[in-house]
Amino acid sequence: SQTIHQWPATLVQPVGSPLSLECTVEGTSNPNLYWYRQAAGRGLQLLFYSVGIGQISSEVPQNLSASRPQDRQFILSSKKLLLSDSGFYLCAWSMGTATYEQYFGPGTRLTVT
Amino acid sequence: DQQVKQNSPSLSVQEGRISILNCDYTNSMFDYFLWYKKYPAEGPTFLISISSIKDKNEDGRFTVFLNKSAKHLSLHIVPSQPGDSAVYFCAASHFGNEKLTFGTGTRLTIIP
Repeated sequence: SQTIHQWPATLVQPVGSPLSLECTVEGTSNPNLYWYRQAAGRGLQLLFYSVGIGQISSEVPQNLSASRPQDRQFILSSKKLLLSDSGFYLCAWSMGTATYEQYFGPGTRLTVT
Repeated sequence: DQQVKQNSPSLSVQEGRISILNCDYTNSMFDYFLWYKKYPAEGPTFLISISSIKDKNEDGRFTVFLNKSAKHLSLHIVPSQPGDSAVYFCAASHFGNEKLTFGTGTRLTIIP
């Protein structure tokens, strides 16, 4: 069966510090991968998605970036965090064109102070 | 432009009664719809979906209804249980689209 991992679970970072969140998927090959953010009291905002290694699509202009160095690894990064980057970050995977369903990881709570 | 709308931010229902969560969409290209359930500090979990070739899909206590002419879908939970208390998101997509468009969510509270 497929499993998705995210770490860390919680993170407190000062403004201006760098960020690296990691997501890995087990039990499947060539998944689509997604990064979402849920701000307090808000819906799910798609940040980036990837249909293959090195292929990244950005949905929202911001100071975040994403990379996919391996087939089942997706990384969300920032060089300098802003207060507005605080939120709950979710990684998800899907089987691409075979199905619409996306399956989410446990999330990372990021607080920028 | 909010293409998927959940106009009720919250809903309270007595345990054992029916919970009805609503969702409206504006993009006529959408042909697949999903419902997710989310507990605090956890990732959303997939509940049930429906293709536009159907108008109803059931899975146990959960039934999703689709009204294409009204661009409206609803999720019925019968009977409602305390463990159903969560935020529910509807989402939509269309053929060839790698992405889901999510609504803003409805917080369902089941009152014992």
